[in-house]
Amino acid sequence: NAGVTQTPKFRILKIGQSMTLQCTQDMNHNYMYWYRQDPGMGLKLIYYSVGAGITDKGEVPNGYNVSRSTTEDFPLRLELAAPSQTSVYFCASRFSSDEQFFGPGTRLTVL
Amino acid sequence: AQSVTQPDIHITVSEGASLELRCNYSYGATPYLFWYVQSPGQGLQLLLKYFSGDTLVQGIKGFEAEFKRSQSSFNLRKPSVHWSDAAEYFCAADTNDYKLSFGAGTTVTVRA
Repeated sequence: NAGVTQTPKFRILKIGQSMTLQCTQDMNHNYMYWYRQDPGMGLKLIYYSVGAGITDKGEVPNGYNVSRSTTEDFPLRLELAAPSQTSVYFCASRFSSDEQFFGPGTRLTVL
Repeated sequence: AQSVTQPDIHITVSEGASLELRCNYSYGATPYLFWYVQSPGQGLQLLLKYFSGDTLVQGIKGFEAEFKRSQSSFNLRKPSVHWSDAAEYFCAADTNDYKLSFGAGTTVTVRA
């Protein structure tokens, strides 16, 4: 099992550009999550999904969108990148109340 | 509001010394509790978790944590720290909605 994989690892965007952060898990987990991590702030939940076709907002959803067309994939879309979206993004998955597994992260800089 | 608090932003400890990281939670009912570790440039790895039962939980890498309901705490401990334990540590909690709330993290520096 590869676990949770994320691409790309690093990306620099210009203000106003769009991009999609990819996330895939091969553990057949029903729950998937996107977090952002900023220094001294811990991880903040952006969006989550309880299964294919079902998504919901977390604490900090503004400026982001998600979709979940399959159990495996949970892409995160930034439509109009802003400097405030400079952060490290983590995707995670879990099966119900069990351990949550994290991907290696995507470091995004918006200039 | 539900929250997780880690009072210590940064702790420095000598190699071989003991380590204790504090975590307090504010939830209506006892949540599921977790400790994660993040090495520089890496993702998060689960150290241990508490759902119910024995209040002293053993984890990986020689870590343990004690749940104290009366103090709403879930402190992480290690008897003897190794240089490889230098990392950032996150306490997290959730209820049966399966959405983790994280503390702000504690950075551990290990000096020789």
